[in-house]
Amino acid sequence: AQSVTQLDSHVSVSEGTPVLLRCNYSSSYSPSLFWYVQHPNKGLQLLLKYTSAATLVKGINGFEAEFKKSETSFHLTKPSAHMSDAAEYFCVVSPSITGANSKLTFGKGITLSVRP
Amino acid sequence: NAGVMQNPRHLVRRRGQEARLRCSPMKGHSHVYWYRQLPEEGLKFMVYLQKENIIDESGMPKERFSAEFPKEGPSILRIQQVVRGDSAAYFCASSPRRAADTQYFGPGTRLTVL
Repeated sequence: AQSVTQLDSHVSVSEGTPVLLRCNYSSSYSPSLFWYVQHPNKGLQLLLKYTSAATLVKGINGFEAEFKKSETSFHLTKPSAHMSDAAEYFCVVSPSITGANSKLTFGKGITLSVRP
Repeated sequence: NAGVMQNPRHLVRRRGQEARLRCSPMKGHSHVYWYRQLPEEGLKFMVYLQKENIIDESGMPKERFSAEFPKEGPSILRIQQVVRGDSAAYFCASSPRRAADTQYFGPGTRLTVL
């Protein structure tokens, strides 16, 4: 079984300040972890993914995330927020073993607001 | 290389009608997944298909919902006798292989049931 917890439903930051979006996961297997972003009325875009290689993963648009097994966390960060970063962010877990169960499990999402 | 295509983007149905949602995966992808997003919630897995096979339908409601991915043509998610609770955004994703591969999402179909 696997699950994702995104404790914060809404995060607000000022433009130019750091962004931290928290994610904790639970998985019976060594998981693959993803962050997706969804802009209003748009589809989902992959920001980055972790698949048991380097624990610090760099993604698009200056985002990165660090896999911490001891804390079962995969928090998303960005040094400096832009107005265009305002969107919904989903942390996602998938079992990394090969098998029939390929479904992604999504967190409830975090709405990021960026103030001018 | 075009991304995952979904149509229609918006679909309005009255209660009791049928809704057909189409998904064309990325070129070279033979695995398709359907997810449903209810208002202010994350996406929930519905079904996973390969060409002509349903691999995992554990997230599909037991009645009124069906999905197919024929040898030729797009994947179809079909909802019969729609009810207001079916109003949601339905997303399709595709991957070249299964398990741990990145899934690439389409823009979604927003279904509104009146």
